[in-house]
Amino acid sequence: DAGVIQSPRHEVTEMGQEVTLRCKPISGHNSLFWYRQTMMRGLELLIYFNNNVPIDDSGMPEDRFSAKMPNASFSTLKIQPSEPRDSAVYFCASTTRGSEQFFGPGTRLTVL
Amino acid sequence: SQQGEEDPQALSIQEGENATMNCSYKTSINNLQWYRQNSGRGLVHLILIRSNEREKHSGRLRVTLDTSKKSSSLLITASRAADTASYFCATDASGTASKLTFGTGTRLQVTL
Repeated sequence: DAGVIQSPRHEVTEMGQEVTLRCKPISGHNSLFWYRQTMMRGLELLIYFNNNVPIDDSGMPEDRFSAKMPNASFSTLKIQPSEPRDSAVYFCASTTRGSEQFFGPGTRLTVL
Repeated sequence: SQQGEEDPQALSIQEGENATMNCSYKTSINNLQWYRQNSGRGLVHLILIRSNEREKHSGRLRVTLDTSKKSSSLLITASRAADTASYFCATDASGTASKLTFGTGTRLQVTL
């Protein structure tokens, strides 16, 4: 298995632009998580899905952030419009029920 | 918010020495997990200890859990330069890995 796949690995954009991050979980995993990591705030859970259904989005910072999981093999995290304070590394992780989480390599987002 | 707090925040040792990291948490848990993050990479699961377990071993790793004190420790024996990384504890209250709460991490530097 290729593990959790994220794209792009690096994204540099200007303030106000729309950013879309993509994630392909490990096949057979039924839960998917989006995290954000910064030096100041550490690793924060933004949202997670069970069987493609959003369960807890309490970590989504504001309405500019949205996430979808249209099927079991694909999820997106969208920021519109982006702001410099959104600069961070965004991780996607997946798991089967009751086991450890498997993380992707992350997307390093820089908003200028 | 981060439930787990790791101590120390940073640790520097020489190759061959043992490294001990501690984690404290606030609420009841089903299990506690330790993850490693190499610079610029995603987190990798190391070991899981359940609330009814007190100690667990995996290779050079030894984890202890004291639920009465709400604390855990990770011991890496005979450290190697390749162990240089950040180490995070994560608590799972539900037992389904559906929502892990990560600590702030310990940065371990192992020098030759």
